[in-house]
Amino acid sequence: QKEVEQNSGPLSVPEGAIASLNCTYSDRGSQSFFWYRQYSGKSPELIMFIYSNGDKEDGRFTAQLNKASQYVSLLIRDSQPSDSATYLCAVEKRRALTFGSGTRLQVQP
Amino acid sequence: ETGVTQTPRHLVMGMTNKKSLKCEQHLGHNAMYWYKQSAKKPLELMFVYSLEERVENNSVPSRFSPECPNSSHLFLHLHTLQPEDSALYLCASSQGGGLQETQYFGPGTRLLVL
Repeated sequence: QKEVEQNSGPLSVPEGAIASLNCTYSDRGSQSFFWYRQYSGKSPELIMFIYSNGDKEDGRFTAQLNKASQYVSLLIRDSQPSDSATYLCAVEKRRALTFGSGTRLQVQP
Repeated sequence: ETGVTQTPRHLVMGMTNKKSLKCEQHLGHNAMYWYKQSAKKPLELMFVYSLEERVENNSVPSRFSPECPNSSHLFLHLHTLQPEDSALYLCASSQGGGLQETQYFGPGTRLLVL
């Protein structure tokens, strides 16, 4: 089992829709979870982090964490074509991050 | 300059060459990291430095040799690399190298080994 699993996609949504990105992790002791966005040919940039169970909202983005199910998700409301990118889920482990392979999101105009 | 910078941005080297990648952070952070990103694979942690001491070495081959002379600079020395080492090498930094810290990435060095 991979430590951090994401559906590779592509996930295709129309402009203005809600995009839902999912991630599961194997280490039950993980405490910190991060979502990064990576445009093609660029480095990852942080979107959100979440430490506690429940939802955390920041603008159009909502991160959801369920530690019992070892599941973290990212919702993007009112998706824009500029949101088209690969979204990386990262789980903290011993001071560093373990990344999933990423989900490619395509927002259709 | 601000944030995390990396040089060179692109590098082509033969298997017998020796080269070095440089990373510099301007954020006042105390921890720095090297990651490798290969095509179709997740980002892989290579090394972690906290306060200039190596605290993590993730089973990386000895042909990769890190150096952290101070908390702002991190190097990755390369020698006798293999074609499968071709990848994007990303440097990151964080506040103190502890838990629940956000890591900020540099733009990366795209390496091609011929």
